[in-house]
Amino acid sequence: KQEVTQIPAALSVPEGENLVLNCSFTDSAIYNLQWFRQDPGKGLTSLLLIQSSQREQTSGRLNASLDKSSGRSTLYIAASQPGDSATYLCAVPETSGSRLTFGEGTQLTVNP
Amino acid sequence: EAGVAQSPRYKIIEKRQSVAFWCNPISGHATLYWYQQILGQGPKLLIQFQNNGVVDDSQLPKDRFSAERLKGVDSTLKIQPAKLEDSAVYLCASSLARSSSPDTDTQYFGPGTRLTVL
Repeated sequence: KQEVTQIPAALSVPEGENLVLNCSFTDSAIYNLQWFRQDPGKGLTSLLLIQSSQREQTSGRLNASLDKSSGRSTLYIAASQPGDSATYLCAVPETSGSRLTFGEGTQLTVNP
Repeated sequence: EAGVAQSPRYKIIEKRQSVAFWCNPISGHATLYWYQQILGQGPKLLIQFQNNGVVDDSQLPKDRFSAERLKGVDSTLKIQPAKLEDSAVYLCASSLARSSSPDTDTQYFGPGTRLTVL
C-alpha cells in the first residue's frame, strides 16, 4: 500500500527566502507525482505534474524534482512571497487516471 | 473554461440525518472523483467514475455512503445516516484521463463542501 509523507508539517519563512518542501513515497512504482496548493476553505489547485520518466518540472518560481529510486520529490519555491502562503500537498496515482494518494501537506506561511 | 462546481459549500446537520452533495465536472471530462478530506489530513478517495460507471469504490463506506453519476456528467454523493466522524470537506475532482499525458492525467478540484455533523 502506497504511503506518502510530507516534511515539514508546517513552515514559516520571511518574504524573499528560497525554500524546499519535501515529499516521500514508499512504493517507487509510481506513474507520476503531482503537487497541489490548497488555500484555506478552498479546493486544490494543481501546480505541477511530473511524469515518472522525468526528473523535474518548472513553472515560474516553482521547480519540482523527482527521484523515483529514492522515493522522493521536492518542491522548490524561489523568492517566496506572502501570496505563497497556503498548504502544499503532493500526491501519486497508482496508474494513469487512478485515485491519488496524498500526503498530509506542508502548511507554509510567508511573512512580509 | 468553467471549473468544477460543487454545492452546497457548507452544510451543518445532526447525526443520523441524511445529506447530499452535488458536483458538476469540467465539460468533456470523462473521469469524476469524490474525495473526503478530514481536517489536517490529505484527501482520501471515496469513489471514482469513468463516464457513468464506477471504477473504484474500495474506500467508500457502503453501509452509509452512496454515489451516482447519471448520464456521465453530474454526480451526487449521499450520506445516510451521518455520523460525527463524517465531518470533513468533500471534494469533487474531474480529469480527461483518456490517454497517458500530463494534460489528461491532471485532476481539477472543485471548492469542496464543508460538512459539520453535530
